[in-house]
This record gives sequence, structure tokens and C-alpha cells, in this order.
Amino acid sequence: DVKVTQSSRYLVKRTGEKVFLECVQDMDHENMFWYRQDPGLGLRLIYFSYDVKMKEKGDIPEGYSVSREKKERFSLILESASTNQTSMYLCASSLTGDLAYEQYFGPGTRLTVT
Amino acid sequence: GQSLEQPSEVTAVEGAIVQINCTYQTSGFYGLSWYQQHDGGAPTFLSYNGLDGLEETGRFSSFLSRSDSYGYLLLQELQMKDSASYFCAVRGGNNRLAFGKGNQVVVIP
Repeated sequence: DVKVTQSSRYLVKRTGEKVFLECVQDMDHENMFWYRQDPGLGLRLIYFSYDVKMKEKGDIPEGYSVSREKKERFSLILESASTNQTSMYLCASSLTGDLAYEQYFGPGTRLTVT
Repeated sequence: GQSLEQPSEVTAVEGAIVQINCTYQTSGFYGLSWYQQHDGGAPTFLSYNGLDGLEETGRFSSFLSRSDSYGYLLLQELQMKDSASYFCAVRGGNNRLAFGKGNQVVVIP
């Protein structure tokens, strides 16, 4: 079974702190994604990566950066956390090409910025 | 760009049939995926339509009409465990999925 893990289920940070969210997948997937999920807004793509060291902005990249130094690991960085970044963060991975329609999600990190 | 529309909530009794609709607008379309998410859980993949027509997976079926930019997910013989949010997601040519806002299904005894 594909497994996607995220470093924390719950995280509380203060405004202005630098925050790292880590995601690891164990199925050698080329693509990895970071979403945030807010009530009534569905899943919104922050960034995605289609290969090591490659990244593309999603729909809401402002205030975030990412890092993918190894194929299995994709990190989301909040350079200076703000209260409007309080949200559920979901990581996902997928194969590429014709099989990209199926994404595997991690359990999520609920981040609260106070 | 892409935009998807899904109605927000539906309540149905056990054993009933529920249809969740999804209309989309996109500049590049490869197919439509469906995901299920229970409260507090991660989204999980249910079904995919790359071609027009009906795909059946047990009690769940999904349909796509490219000409109408429309798809639906059909949940049959509803069970309590089907209470969840259901998302459609458009697959574009860049390996990305664009998710709709989701539709919450509440199953009552």
C-alpha cells in the first residue's frame, strides 16, 4: 500500500515563526503536492513538484515556499507564519502521466497560528 | 483556468440512492476523478473517468459527458459509513488535479 506520512498531526505556532511541514511517501512517486483545506473552500493547491528540485506554483503560493531535495520528501515552509495561514495542510503524491488522476494523501497537519 | 461547481450538502436515508453532480470549466481536460473524505480523515480516491460514459465500482458509479462538461457520482444502497464529503477533481495536462469545493452527504437511519 502507498503510504504518505506527514510530520505532525497538530501544530501550534506563533505569528512570525518559521514553520516547516514535512511529507514523505514510500512509493517512488514522481509528483508530490501540498494543499490547504478550509471549510467551504475545498482543497486548494499551494505548490507541487514533479521531480527532485523541481517545483511549480499552485493556485495560492503566496506566503509559502517548498523544498524537494529527495524524491520521497517534500517540505512546505511558511517563512513567517500569519494567522490567516491557520488551516489543515494536506500532502499528496501520485505517479505521472496517464496515472496522475489518482493522488494518495497523507493524514494532514492541522496548523494553528496564534 | 479551471473552475468546478458542486452543490453543498445532501441528506438521505440508508438504502437510498444519491447523485452528486459536478460541472466544470477548464482550458485543458484529461478526465474527472472522485474522492471521498470522512470527517477528520484524508481524501481517498474513488473513481476516474477519462472517457465519456459510466464507470462502476461496486455500489459507486461515476459518469462523464465531455460535451456537457459534466459528471456525476452515484452512490447506491447507501450505508451509514458513506457519510462523508465527496469531491470531484479535474485532471489537466500537467499532472495536477483541480478540486471542487465538495459535497457533504449525511446518511440517516
